[in-house]
Amino acid sequence: GAVVSQHPSWVICKSGTSVKIECRSLDFQATTMFWYRQFPKQSLMLMATSNEGSKATYEQGVEKDKFLINHASLTLSTLTVTSAHPEDSSFYICSALEHSNQPQHFGDGTRLSIL
Amino acid sequence: LAKTTQPISMDSYEGQEVNITCSHNNIATNDYITWYQQFPSQGPRFIIQGYKTKVTNEVASLFIPADRKSSTLSLPRVSLSDTAVYYCLVGENNQGGKLIFGQGTELSVKP
Repeated sequence: GAVVSQHPSWVICKSGTSVKIECRSLDFQATTMFWYRQFPKQSLMLMATSNEGSKATYEQGVEKDKFLINHASLTLSTLTVTSAHPEDSSFYICSALEHSNQPQHFGDGTRLSIL
Repeated sequence: LAKTTQPISMDSYEGQEVNITCSHNNIATNDYITWYQQFPSQGPRFIIQGYKTKVTNEVASLFIPADRKSSTLSLPRVSLSDTAVYYCLVGENNQGGKLIFGQGTELSVKP
């Protein structure tokens, strides 16, 4: 149980385009979802916390107009990287939380490459 | 959220027991200790969580001394497939689940 699915797993696009990444909790309802970014050989960096039906809370230094997060239902959150540039190339990972007293369950990440 | 310190890397051989220690001197009363495993190009996978003393599951044990300022993840009889990065995290479960990842420990298991 507790499966989190991310789509797509890998995307390449041209500079200036917008890219949407989906995060779904397949067998549970997620009260909260989180988005992380990970550069090569580095740790995960929390970008934002998302609760269903409300605005996401962004970590310091993360541009909310650049990284649009929508959490429309208890099983789906989306991250849209707007007007992506090469420096946005990274590994984006989502996680979902069913109950606050339980561990987070992570998706398998999305590799984003901007040319 | 308490800061954690772990060794950057560790080497081991197949069949050995591996112990990875994490320091968290500023751990708060309500904080839990959670360990995750991450393989390249994958999301982290939950291993074990504890509050005090010892916790054991089918893959690992977690030892937490009385002062809770450190914890040790113990992996019995590692195999090549245990080569991964291991993260120790400390935080309140009722903080909405927010996790701040440290640098992790890169474990390399050799034949």
